[in-house]
Amino acid sequence: EAGVAQSPRYKIIEKRQSVAFWCNPISGHATLYWYQQILGQGPKLLIQFQNNGVVDDSQLPKDRFSAERLKGVDSTLKIQPAKLEDSAVYLCASSLVAQAVRGEQYFGPGTRLTVT
Amino acid sequence: GEDVEQSLFLSVREGDSSVINCTYTDSSSTYLYWYKQEPGAGLQLLTYIFSNMDMKQDQRLTVLLNKKDKHLSLRIADTQTGDSAIYFCAERPNAGNMLTFGGGTRLMVKP
Repeated sequence: EAGVAQSPRYKIIEKRQSVAFWCNPISGHATLYWYQQILGQGPKLLIQFQNNGVVDDSQLPKDRFSAERLKGVDSTLKIQPAKLEDSAVYLCASSLVAQAVRGEQYFGPGTRLTVT
Repeated sequence: GEDVEQSLFLSVREGDSSVINCTYTDSSSTYLYWYKQEPGAGLQLLTYIFSNMDMKQDQRLTVLLNKKDKHLSLRIADTQTGDSAIYFCAERPNAGNMLTFGGGTRLMVKP
């Protein structure tokens, strides 16, 4: 079974520029998550999708961050404009159903963003 | 709000047991998880425990849960150099699927 795919793996941009990350979840997984992991911290949930609908985006900084999952499969996360404090690893995860008994989420390798 | 705390660092010798500790605040948590993160990789689910259990064993891993003190621990028996990684505990409340992660404990295994 192929895992969660993310691209690019690394991105360096200057502040005020825009950037987009792409995620392809495990086939058949209805729920998709984007996390932000700042160096030395645990991942923090940004947004959760169930198919193509948003379940939880309460921690997404909506003035600069946006995410979509138009066809309920792939997802993109965009930052526009980027700030220095956005430097982090952006992790995508997927799970079979939102309220699974175990709630097991499978994580991609992440995209490391550096904002200079 | 929920808060999950872990110690930052643990160093052990190969063959010894490792114990990684975690405290949490949300008493409504139903599932508690341990994830492993190796350099440059995503998080890998190691094991989980349901809140009505106090212990779970899975090969070299033993999870202990003290609900009264809201304390979770992960014991790795016969620790190997390949166990060197960052270990995260996470909690999931009864409602929803959102995970709250601790800051991670870096385990270093010396040969």
